Amino acid sequence: GQNIDQPTEMTATEGAIVQINCTYQTSGFNGLFWYQQHAGEAPTFLSYNVLDGLEEKGRFSSFLSRSKGYSYLLLKELQMKDSASYLCAVLDSNYQLIWGAGTKLIIKP
Amino acid sequence: GAVVSQHPSWVICKSGTSVKIECRSLDFQATTMFWYRQFPKQSLMLMATSNEGSKATYEQGVEKDKFLINHASLTLSTLTVTSAHPEDSSFYICSARNSDRGEQYFGPGTRLTVT
Repeated sequence: GQNIDQPTEMTATEGAIVQINCTYQTSGFNGLFWYQQHAGEAPTFLSYNVLDGLEEKGRFSSFLSRSKGYSYLLLKELQMKDSASYLCAVLDSNYQLIWGAGTKLIIKP
Repeated sequence: GAVVSQHPSWVICKSGTSVKIECRSLDFQATTMFWYRQFPKQSLMLMATSNEGSKATYEQGVEKDKFLINHASLTLSTLTVTSAHPEDSSFYICSARNSDRGEQYFGPGTRLTVT
């Protein structure tokens, strides 16, 4: 079957760095997405990785290792507004998005 | 960045009526659009995939006669909830895949309440 694992919840301190991991087992791979979702709102696109390596976008970076079926989202200089759920999703061989359950990130002052 | 709009953003309707939700990609072409439903504190659940000019592909357990999807152009897809019931109350989110880049962007969602 297809499976995506990410931690249910993480807590970090304002100004710090946090890494949210995602491991996947899917039938084929056409890219991995990270989304941010605040409560009651639709997800917001953060990143799309299809090749191995690190992609940096401001305070957010995303890493992919296809051979390990592994990705992480790195958030630097955490702000209170970063408190949200972070969703990992993989595009499989049929171009269907397979979703992780999301990681709820709690930022403390 | 790419923008996907949805209309309406929220709607309240009476049981038995139908509701149409529009999803538009504003600055890119989307050959494929997706419709999701999300119940409180749960992950997104894919309802159907629509490809421009062809019939939508529905996920198992989703009634195609109840949730009518039309993807008439490269920038517009509509979801019609027919004969709505209170259990259809949910957050409906559309997503459009950029045909050129492969990235997928979400609309802001439509909160449907059926009374």
